[in-house]
Amino acid sequence: GAVVSQHPSWVICKSGTSVKIECRSLDFQATTMFWYRQFPKQSLMLMATSNEGSKATYEQGVEKDKFLINHASLTLSTLTVTSAHPEDSSFYICSAGGSGGSSYEQYFGPGTRLTVT
Amino acid sequence: GDSVTQMEGPVTLSEEAFLTINCTYTATGYPSLFWYVQYPGEGLQLLLKATKADDKGSNKGFEATYRKETTSFHLEKGSVQVSDSAVYFCALSGTNAGKSTFGDGTTLTVKP
Repeated sequence: GAVVSQHPSWVICKSGTSVKIECRSLDFQATTMFWYRQFPKQSLMLMATSNEGSKATYEQGVEKDKFLINHASLTLSTLTVTSAHPEDSSFYICSAGGSGGSSYEQYFGPGTRLTVT
Repeated sequence: GDSVTQMEGPVTLSEEAFLTINCTYTATGYPSLFWYVQYPGEGLQLLLKATKADDKGSNKGFEATYRKETTSFHLEKGSVQVSDSAVYFCALSGTNAGKSTFGDGTTLTVKP
């Protein structure tokens, strides 16, 4: 089946530094990847849609200069949290879009827990 | 826009009890419907899906039927186990560039 990996699985960084999270589709090509953010005991909030070879589409209220997304190849998308602050601490999950007829199934990565101190 | 409403939790059941988690949706067009499960500290795993009206998705004893007339996709299991304790998310996609819209999640705790 389709497998999506994320790296790192958890990271602790100091306030003001930048952190890069990688999302890889291991056994299929993903023209579209999605980045979500999840706060404790809450649902997933879509941050942006990452399209290979073009600029990401950000959801309303998400700062594109703070959350930099790059989708340089069909198997890799990266999310960089720039100048991180404690309020950026969260669980970040990526997914890779697949389509089978009318079923836009997404394959989710295991998530990256970011803690900013 | 699209939205998903899930039964509020948390839900606590004894082992072997019957489980129902309600899910209703609002969407334009004909979305695909999904149930995902999230175990503590982990990402989401697809539990089951249905792509058109009257389809029944099933997996690991869980079932859900795509009801277009009631815009619902309720999750059921006849006999829950302790290992089913997790957060369950109802979701839809397919109507807006493949994006998924998630419900708020329902935490299930099964006690022995």
